[in-house]
Amino acid sequence: GAGVSQSPRYKVAKRGQDVALRCDPISGHVSLFWYQQALGQGPEFLTYFQNEAQLDKSGLPSDRFFAERPEGSVSTLKIQRTQQEDSAVYLCASSLVAGGKAVKLETQYFGPGTRLLVL
Amino acid sequence: DAKTTQPPSMDCAEGRAANLPCNHSTISGNEYVYWYRQIHSQGPQYIIHGLKNNETNEMASLIITEDRKSSTLILPHATLRDTAVYYCIVGYSGTYKYIFGTGTRLKVLA
Repeated sequence: GAGVSQSPRYKVAKRGQDVALRCDPISGHVSLFWYQQALGQGPEFLTYFQNEAQLDKSGLPSDRFFAERPEGSVSTLKIQRTQQEDSAVYLCASSLVAGGKAVKLETQYFGPGTRLLVL
Repeated sequence: DAKTTQPPSMDCAEGRAANLPCNHSTISGNEYVYWYRQIHSQGPQYIIHGLKNNETNEMASLIITEDRKSSTLILPHATLRDTAVYYCIVGYSGTYKYIFGTGTRLKVLA
């Protein structure tokens, strides 16, 4: 079946530009996660959605980062006024399990990521 | 900071067992040990997890020491497609905020 898809796969932005990264989770998956992965590092948690509710955004590095999931399916991560330090791979993951129950890591399915390069 | 320590890189001959160690000396009693891997240009992929007992599935085996301060992921017959970065993570069953660390880069050699 279809997995988690992300678009675009690659994005080059000039410093100061706004970008929007899209995530299409697996159909029916309740939980959705965004991660940021810098070169040579492991993924770092950014934010978590249960359906359309953003339950945790503690990992967002600044107020230039904004995520939404208005209808509880597709999610968009928006970065305003991009800076060079925003260059990274942005990973999206989804999980069938609902919040409040055990959100087990093994049920998180990751997309291929969007590689963002800010010049 | 990561709650686990892993060697930065390892090599393994194709067809041989790959044994990837992980130290997690500060693990709490009800924290699980999870293993993920990330093949180049892909998102992480779940491999296996365990609490106290050794675990085995179609991908790998997980050996956890009795004091739970360390574990080893075993790929019994490594293939070239197992070349990846392997992450050892500890966390509670009900949490989603895992710390990946930098992992072990495993290279399987022909």
